[in-house]
Amino acid sequence: DQQVKQNSPSLSVQEGRISILNCDYTNSMFDYFLWYKKYPAEGPTFLISISSIKDKNEDGRFTVFLNKSAKHLSLHIVPSQPGDSAVYFCAASASNYQLIWGAGTKLIIKP
Amino acid sequence: DARVTQTPRDKVTEMGQEVTMRCQPILGHNTVFWYRQTMMQGLELLAYFRNRAPLDDSGMPKDRFSAEMPDATLATLKIQPSEPRDSAVYFCASGFGSLTEAFFGQGTRLTVV
Repeated sequence: DQQVKQNSPSLSVQEGRISILNCDYTNSMFDYFLWYKKYPAEGPTFLISISSIKDKNEDGRFTVFLNKSAKHLSLHIVPSQPGDSAVYFCAASASNYQLIWGAGTKLIIKP
Repeated sequence: DARVTQTPRDKVTEMGQEVTMRCQPILGHNTVFWYRQTMMQGLELLAYFRNRAPLDDSGMPKDRFSAEMPDATLATLKIQPSEPRDSAVYFCASGFGSLTEAFFGQGTRLTVV
């Protein structure tokens, strides 16, 4: 039973446009959500996070939106750049207990 | 440049053999995680340690997997005997006690044939 789901295995976006990566979760106890970015042959690196008391968190070109009623979060990248091509993982935790990870979405930025 | 170091980077072994993966966490970090990444499951937590003490290894198949931290600079994950279904990339990560924002190593790609 996957508690964190990233339903799109891959996404292709034109350079300069907006990339929107989606994540759904089933556990209403989750109170902290994170996005990690992973390049081939490297470990994931932390990108941005959001607490359940917020509905939006912004860091430069990256914004994460949280819709608690829909149990949905999304990561927006504007504008998309070639270096953004990577696999993006959504992860969630409840009361700082272990992180539950999604399967990842591969983002491809086309020049 | 502080980083988590994992060895080996790649390991090919025959079914039934023992495999040991090693991790050097970032100096000063008190929490260490072992994750496994497979194509279908994404990242799954196998075990984690805080101040070298195992806090949770419920994600690990107990009959063949074991994780230890002999000292603060070394974490090990051992599989004995290895099976083809163990083929995956194994990541070690370390942090300051929070489960979030952990720093990952480059991973060990294990192939069991």
